[in-house]
Amino acid sequence: SQTIHQWPATLVQPVGSPLSLECTVEGTSNPNLYWYRQAAGRGLQLLFYSVGIGQISSEVPQNLSASRPQDRQFILSSKKLLLSDSGFYLCAWSVFTSMCFGPGTRLLVL
Amino acid sequence: SQQGEEDPQALSIQEGENATMNCSYKTSINNLQWYRQNSGRGLVHLILIRSNEREKHSGRLRVTLDTSKKSSSLLITASRAADTASYFCATVGKTGANSKLTFGKGITLSVRP
Repeated sequence: SQTIHQWPATLVQPVGSPLSLECTVEGTSNPNLYWYRQAAGRGLQLLFYSVGIGQISSEVPQNLSASRPQDRQFILSSKKLLLSDSGFYLCAWSVFTSMCFGPGTRLLVL
Repeated sequence: SQQGEEDPQALSIQEGENATMNCSYKTSINNLQWYRQNSGRGLVHLILIRSNEREKHSGRLRVTLDTSKKSSSLLITASRAADTASYFCATVGKTGANSKLTFGKGITLSVRP
């Protein structure tokens, strides 16, 4: 069966520090992968999606970047975190027309 | 924007009652989906209804779609305390930028035991 992993579950980082969040998928090949951010009390904002290795599409201009070094690995990064980067980050892959989400990473930038 | 909007924003009911949540959207859709999110967790897909369907059932869930009004409702019958969660509608548009899954802001459902 398909499984999606994210880590870490929680992260507290100082402003200006770098970020690397990792997402891996098991049980499928060549998935479409997505990074979403959910601010407190808000809906999900699509940040990046990828249809294959090295292929990244950015939905909104921001302080973040994404990479897909392997078929089932999707990484969200930042060189210098901002306070506004705090939020709940969700990785997902699409299953036909619906989404399967990972458990999420809660990021607090202080 | 394609984004769906749910109402009410928050709903509190007694266990055993039915919960009805609504979603409205702005442009033509290919399908509409409902997701559930327990506090601090990822989203779980509940049900998908296509634009040519009017009603779908899955266990205690019933979803309706009215494309003329651009709205959908999610009914949870005989609610349980374990149904307490946030519920999101998401739409997939028919063309271009709207063809990605776009989420609303969610409804917080509290079921009192």
